[in-house]
Amino acid sequence: DAKTTQPTSMDCAEGRAANLPCNHSTISGNEYVYWYRQIHSQGPQYIIHGLKNNETNEMASLIITEERKSSTLILPHATLRDTAVYYCIVSDGDSSYKLIFGSGTRLLVRP
Amino acid sequence: DAGVIQSPRHEVTEMGQEVTLRCKPISGHNSLFWYRQTMMRGLELLIYFNNNVPIDDSGMPEDRFSAKMPNASFSTLKIQPSEPRDSAVYFCASSLLAGYTQYFGPGTRLTVL
Repeated sequence: DAKTTQPTSMDCAEGRAANLPCNHSTISGNEYVYWYRQIHSQGPQYIIHGLKNNETNEMASLIITEERKSSTLILPHATLRDTAVYYCIVSDGDSSYKLIFGSGTRLLVRP
Repeated sequence: DAGVIQSPRHEVTEMGQEVTLRCKPISGHNSLFWYRQTMMRGLELLIYFNNNVPIDDSGMPEDRFSAKMPNASFSTLKIQPSEPRDSAVYFCASSLLAGYTQYFGPGTRLTVL
């Protein structure tokens, strides 16, 4: 399984962009990068995923480097409700259903 | 649309008792997952069903744990007998197809005294 490395914690000011990095240097060609977040006491919430190209949806943008060894999740205008643990996950190429959650990044959005 | 529904939301029981957790996946989804989250081990996949059939149960900790999916709209995770180390939050998730985005329920917080 490809592994991911994320900073343990980050913080940003409300209204500013939050940029959450993730390293996945052993990712294989057919493995997707997924981002989920977990707000305290809730179930993990899907944010976005991508394979090679950058992706954007109503929640966030995902920037994947050309070599695919790292990616960045961007929350363009963070709010207090974005305070959560953010998980960067690489799907298992052979068992694509398997999401292996690491420790994630604890993002604190400051007022 | 209703998301994944889990019940109960909280369960407190005594060691040795049987515990049954319930999950209703999103309608039309044919893949269902049970996860367990603890402080020590984080979020772990316990079992995966596809079209109501268990495909991967390698994460089930031991024989005390069992899961069933009698139909496409209902699944149970049973622990018998329960032990204090089973205390955790148990999440159910579903996806349209295997390998597609998984959507999680709110979880069941289990406390075994």
